[in-house]
Amino acid sequence: GENVEQHPSTLSVQEGDSAVIKCTYSDSASNYFPWYKQELGKRPQLIIDIRSNVGEKKDQRIAVTLNKTAKHFSLHITETQPEDSAVYFCAASRAGGGADGLTFGKGTHLIIQP
Amino acid sequence: GAVVSQHPSRVICKSGTSVKIECRSLDFQATTMFWYRQFPKQSLMLMATSNEGSKATYEQGVEKDKFLINHASLTLSTLTVTSAHPEDSSFYICSATTSGGREAFFGQGTRLTVV
Repeated sequence: GENVEQHPSTLSVQEGDSAVIKCTYSDSASNYFPWYKQELGKRPQLIIDIRSNVGEKKDQRIAVTLNKTAKHFSLHITETQPEDSAVYFCAASRAGGGADGLTFGKGTHLIIQP
Repeated sequence: GAVVSQHPSRVICKSGTSVKIECRSLDFQATTMFWYRQFPKQSLMLMATSNEGSKATYEQGVEKDKFLINHASLTLSTLTVTSAHPEDSSFYICSATTSGGREAFFGQGTRLTVV
């Protein structure tokens, strides 16, 4: 089955700086890669996703890049703010989360230092 | 976006008893729902895929006789933890996707504590 590795497990950055979280996946058939933000005790919230036919996607301060050949994808957050502090999970799926469940990375605890 | 509601949000039960958790899609029909388990400070682990009108598909290592899943309608899936033990204490969360969609919408989760 799919295996998703995520690094780093903890990331501390100064407010205003950029944060980058990286993931690799093992199943070449995976074609959908979402990123979730989860606050303590709450449900994961989708922040951005990318399909395998696209190399990069951007939404305001958040961007995701995908290298399908190398089987890795990254989350980039620019101009970080205190409210960005949370745990971020990458995930991979074969069928867009519909017919196939998501395989999650272990998560990155992002800490924004004021 | 679509709304998935999970109930209860918290439950405490005695060891050996069973607990039922409900997952409902409120404004769309979900032929497939997914159940995840999340231990403190860990990631979400897919437990099983719940299919309306058929048997659930369980991930390797998940005991199907212990975690009973019933997907009785297009808007409701239930997870029953049978003969619960303290090691079953965890955060259980379901998700569903709209027809033709790709985004997974999550329920608010259920914090199960077995004492």
